[in-house]
Amino acid sequence: DGGITQSPKYLFRKEGQNVTLSCEQNLNHDAMYWYRQDPGQGLRLIYYSQIVNDFQKGDIAEGYSVSREKKESFPLTVTSAQKNPTAFYLCASSGTSGAASYNEQFFGPGTRLTVL
Amino acid sequence: QKEVEQNSGPLSVPEGAIASLNCTYSDRGSQSFFWYRQYSGKSPELIMFIYSNGDKEDGRFTAQLNKASQYVSLLIRDSQPSDSATYLCAVRYLTGGYNKLIFGAGTRLAVHP
Repeated sequence: DGGITQSPKYLFRKEGQNVTLSCEQNLNHDAMYWYRQDPGQGLRLIYYSQIVNDFQKGDIAEGYSVSREKKESFPLTVTSAQKNPTAFYLCASSGTSGAASYNEQFFGPGTRLTVL
Repeated sequence: QKEVEQNSGPLSVPEGAIASLNCTYSDRGSQSFFWYRQYSGKSPELIMFIYSNGDKEDGRFTAQLNKASQYVSLLIRDSQPSDSATYLCAVRYLTGGYNKLIFGAGTRLAVHP
């Protein structure tokens, strides 16, 4: 089955620790995205990548880092510099063709991060 | 600052009624518009996308777009309790050659029997 997987589903972190969230897709999509969702709010873009070895900061990149060494993988590291990291993290992927339908973003199941 | 605005709700409708969800956006150059449904604790799933003015129908769902008024809506006919969820409006725009989506905060829909 094609899709996006994220792991772990739940993650607990102590203050001052870096943690890495995994995102893998087998949809052959070029573009991948990381979003953060806080209770009662919409999705805010952290980082995005349209091609291997290239990525761009989104609206709330401070305290986060990413890499894109493989087309299928786009891991997100939440660093100790992120002041309020407790949130629901969503990874998405999409095609990059000009057709509107190819801009549909498919989402993984999410990782819920809690800082203790 | 590009923005997408939605009424947070909750919008409460009886089973079998029509639910009307609305969204306005600030970027007049936006070309594509998406409606996602998100159940509590789950990730968003796409219901519909629309990029031409007018109506687009898919089963019980109809998306409506009015670019002159910068307004997009989603109608759900014959609402069912299983439609109870948060509905996110998303608008695509281009920046520096990259496609991005901006999401509204979502409207919570409650369908009661």
